[in-house]
Amino acid sequence: QQQVKQSPQSLIVQKGGISIINCAYENTAFDYFPWYQQFPGKGPALLIAIRPDVSEKKEGRFTISFNKSAKQFSLHIMDSQPGDSATYFCAASSGAGGTSYGKLTFGQGTILTVHP
Amino acid sequence: GAVVSQHPSRVICKSGTSVKIECRSLDFQATTMFWYRQFPKKSLMLMATSNEGSKATYEQGVEKDKFLINHASLTLSTLTVTSAHPEDSSFYICSARGGASPLHFGNGTRLTVT
Repeated sequence: QQQVKQSPQSLIVQKGGISIINCAYENTAFDYFPWYQQFPGKGPALLIAIRPDVSEKKEGRFTISFNKSAKQFSLHIMDSQPGDSATYFCAASSGAGGTSYGKLTFGQGTILTVHP
Repeated sequence: GAVVSQHPSRVICKSGTSVKIECRSLDFQATTMFWYRQFPKKSLMLMATSNEGSKATYEQGVEKDKFLINHASLTLSTLTVTSAHPEDSSFYICSARGGASPLHFGNGTRLTVT
């Protein structure tokens, strides 16, 4: 019940295209859904996050779409650039603002390659 | 902005020795720190949660006597891998939060046990 399932495992996109990564969760107690970007040998960096009271959040080229009834959320990267090539992880946690905040369950990761 | 610093970034040790990894919050007080382990091309797996001044809470399957966590101050948590073996080789990452500060991750420590 704690799992977060992420797909695809890898993704190749042309420069300027849209990258879409999907995640599904089971635990209905999750109330915080961040996306992280990780470059080789580095820690993950927060890209964007959403709470279940909204269905979409956009920050620059990054958009999260959230479907509470389906227990799914996705990351859309518009106008993908070679510099976006990295591993992306979705995550989820419960108890936003409480003591459990920060205890993240991560998806399996998606290796994104953007070709110039 | 707030930064979490991990040290060392890389460490190589011989089998049977112990290794200590530090995680510091540089400009905020980290009431809670989390330790993750990541295998190559794999996801991050939570190992334990540490709250300042109290014992760490370990996830199921993580040996607390193997991975000693100390969170003695509001800016420092340490993970000690005791009697390390080659299968302990991994990328260890900490994250920290505190007060109004959002969650921040360190840059990880690559441990290689020979």
